[in-house]
Amino acid sequence: GQQLNQSPQSMFIQEGEDVSMNCTSSSIFNTWLWYKQDPGEGPVLLIALYKAGELTSNGRLTAQFGTTRKDSFLNISASIPSDVGIYFCAGLYGSTSGAGSYQLTFGKGTKLSVIP
Amino acid sequence: ETGVTQTPRHLVMGMTNKKSLKCEQHLGHNAMYWYKQSAKKPLELMFVYNFKEQTENNSVPSRFSPECPNSSHLFLHLHTLQPEDSALYLCASSQDKRGQGTQYFGPGTRLTVL
Repeated sequence: GQQLNQSPQSMFIQEGEDVSMNCTSSSIFNTWLWYKQDPGEGPVLLIALYKAGELTSNGRLTAQFGTTRKDSFLNISASIPSDVGIYFCAGLYGSTSGAGSYQLTFGKGTKLSVIP
Repeated sequence: ETGVTQTPRHLVMGMTNKKSLKCEQHLGHNAMYWYKQSAKKPLELMFVYNFKEQTENNSVPSRFSPECPNSSHLFLHLHTLQPEDSALYLCASSQDKRGQGTQYFGPGTRLTVL
């Protein structure tokens, strides 16, 4: 099956620093998604990317859909304590014709810790 | 609050018990999902329901039995589980199966099997 390699596995940063994380795959995807999971909660969708090369921002978060369709990047600028959590990438591959076959694959997550 | 609720939030059960997890979504969605989340592993998709019909069963053992009586409710019936089944079980919903990307997750049920 399809697999996503998400890195780094964990990060410790100082408040105010910028953060970068990425996901790569040997397979292509039609959609890339980034989720954040707080302790004791389910993942929450942060950014969805639908086209190769697309760059999308959500506040201090910026994500890009790689031009090869095999990777994606998430950047967080000027980190704050509430940014702590686990960030997951996910890739969706599916056919848009007929019933199609849709498969959403998740990375293992990047655990972010912010030191005040 | 994502519009997807799960009960119970925590569950401890023995291997001979039978229990059920419940998920309810208030978003008017037509697709619902069960995922298993174990430490240091990617989210594992277990079951997909689209318009109340099960469309995917990712080789899940029969000791897990899903039920979807309507588009708003999803259950996961558990019986004779093993300790390795201990995990966070997440429910999610999306507009339909094509809208898998924009899934809304519930808070999860933390299951411990003794």
